[in-house]
Amino acid sequence: AQKVTQAQTEISVVEKEDVTLDCVYETRDTTYYLFWYKQPPSGELVFLIRRNSFDEQNEISGRYSWNFQKSTSSFNFTITASQVVDSAVYFCALRSNSGYALNFGKGTSLLVTP
Amino acid sequence: EAGVAQSPRYKIIEKRQSVAFWCNPISGHATLYWYQQILGQGPKLLIQFQNNGVVDDSQLPKDRFSAERLKGVDSTLKIQPAKLEDSAVYLCASSLQGLDVGTEAFFGQGTRLTVV
Repeated sequence: AQKVTQAQTEISVVEKEDVTLDCVYETRDTTYYLFWYKQPPSGELVFLIRRNSFDEQNEISGRYSWNFQKSTSSFNFTITASQVVDSAVYFCALRSNSGYALNFGKGTSLLVTP
Repeated sequence: EAGVAQSPRYKIIEKRQSVAFWCNPISGHATLYWYQQILGQGPKLLIQFQNNGVVDDSQLPKDRFSAERLKGVDSTLKIQPAKLEDSAVYLCASSLQGLDVGTEAFFGQGTRLTVV
């Protein structure tokens, strides 16, 4: 069975603070991909990043960074110097070669206040 | 490049009525997905098409939900008859190479359905 857990339901920070969104996954497959999507109030899911199970290198893209650790089955997402425009719901998702569906977590709602 | 188009954006119907949603994927994308997102939850896959064939419909409530993608391009999702618990946002997504598990999906803005 595959499962994605985002334990943080809601996070509220003040602008310019750093914030980390947690994602823990479960799968028995050795080949899988992890994704992060952003869902702003407009409702459209926006793709942020994809990571495969064989590449544990951390990645940085501007203010965004991702920490993938297979030992703890975690794929955490950090926003540095948060901005009001970062306010959205963020979803972590898993897909493996035993199924075609993207399995999403329940999402973390991030509110950044001025 | 145009994104995934969905219509309508909002729909309110009474229970036991029928409703249909339309999706036009990104040009050239062979794979099309329909997801259901209930308030406060992550999206759940209902059905996946590769061109005009169904790849996965294991979570589609087939007694009331149906979907088609006749020409391998746009798609419709129908609910008949609707129940209160069908109230949700219905998201359409497409990807270039759907059977490659590493391919990201691009999502439309969704149709918010309210069943009263």
